[in-house]
Amino acid sequence: GNSVTQMEGPVTLSEEAFLTINCTYTATGYPSLFWYVQYPGEGLQLLLKATKADDKGSNKGFEATYRKETTSFHLEKGSVQVSDSAVYFCALGRGTGNQFYFGTGTSLTVIP
Amino acid sequence: NAGVTQTPKFQVLKTGQSMTLQCAQDMNHEYMSWYRQDPGMGLRLIHYSVGAGITDQGEVPNGYNVSRSTTEDFPLRLLSAAPSQTSVYFCASTDSTDTQYFGPGTRLTVL
Repeated sequence: GNSVTQMEGPVTLSEEAFLTINCTYTATGYPSLFWYVQYPGEGLQLLLKATKADDKGSNKGFEATYRKETTSFHLEKGSVQVSDSAVYFCALGRGTGNQFYFGTGTSLTVIP
Repeated sequence: NAGVTQTPKFQVLKTGQSMTLQCAQDMNHEYMSWYRQDPGMGLRLIHYSVGAGITDQGEVPNGYNVSRSTTEDFPLRLLSAAPSQTSVYFCASTDSTDTQYFGPGTRLTVL
């Protein structure tokens, strides 16, 4: 079946540090892959996505590459800011099914 | 363009009470879904709909009902609230690229 496994948190980094949040998946078909971000007290919002193997999604300095050979979609940012403090969710698109699957979320705190 | 709206934002119920969480979207999306978010468990799908008149169960449907009479609205009904249903509930609407748009959430406490 489909599933998403995401790096456990919480993660605490100093400002300007490098960020990696690991995400691996199992899937039937070839679904799109997503990273969503949730700020305190809000709903999730799309951060970036990739629709096929080797695609790189990017937004606001964050990047993730759809790796079919390692079934991974790791999130990276070269220099984090305090404003990046949030919970990050990796997610699988529908593929051949009709449901979406989310990881458990990784809480990131960036300290000045 | 309001996106996805949810009401109420907060609700406290007593065990056994029923209520409806409202969700509406103005983007003309066919696919809508309800999730619950609990600490350490991410988002779990309760019910979803691929269009007006069509609904189906997700991972955790017990104790919840849905209907989809219009494209815009997708209410979630709690039939007889239980403390285990204390959670934050999110409604989402999905476009043709599988991108989901989430509402602001409803924080529900069942005493």
